[in-house]
Amino acid sequence: NAGVTQTPKFQVLKTGQSMTLQCAQDMNHEYMSWYRQDPGMGLRLIHYSVGAGITDQGEVPNGYNVSRSTTEDFPLRLLSAAPSQTSVYFCASSSAGTGGYEQYFGPGTRLTVT
Amino acid sequence: GNSVTQMEGPVTLSEEAFLTINCTYTATGYPSLFWYVQYPGEGLQLLLKATKADDKGSNKGFEATYRKETTSFHLEKGSVQVSDSAVYFCALSGSARQLTFGSGTQLTVLP
Repeated sequence: NAGVTQTPKFQVLKTGQSMTLQCAQDMNHEYMSWYRQDPGMGLRLIHYSVGAGITDQGEVPNGYNVSRSTTEDFPLRLLSAAPSQTSVYFCASSSAGTGGYEQYFGPGTRLTVT
Repeated sequence: GNSVTQMEGPVTLSEEAFLTINCTYTATGYPSLFWYVQYPGEGLQLLLKATKADDKGSNKGFEATYRKETTSFHLEKGSVQVSDSAVYFCALSGSARQLTFGSGTQLTVLP
């Protein structure tokens, strides 16, 4: 199993550009989520999904869009990039059968918006 | 809402020293508690977990006990190694399955 994969690893955008961060998992997990990591702030939840076709907002959803058409994929779209979205983005997944809702994380995408 | 407060870093120790990283939480109900570790340039990996009061999670020489009476989940290791240098995150998971993280503690172990 590859686990949780994310692409790209690094990205530089200009203000106002849009892009999609890809996330895929091969563990048949129904729960997937996106976090952003900023210095001194831990990880903050952007959006999450409890299954295909179902998404909801987390703590910091503004400026981001998600959809979940398949169990495996959960892309994160930046609609119009802003410098405040410079961050490291992590995708995670978990299974209803996992004790304590342990989440598995991808390697991250480092995004810089100039 | 849920929140996690963990010891501010950075923490610098000599090899074989004793490590404690404090973590306290605020949550409704009975959350599950986790410690995650992030090595440089990598994603987060689960280090250990505890799902109910008085449970002790342990892995790779690290331990943490779920203390409901003090709402704490402090991370300890008796003898740290250089390879333990990383950022450590305390987190909780409530009924909605979402993880709430502390701000992270940078640990550097010197040889």
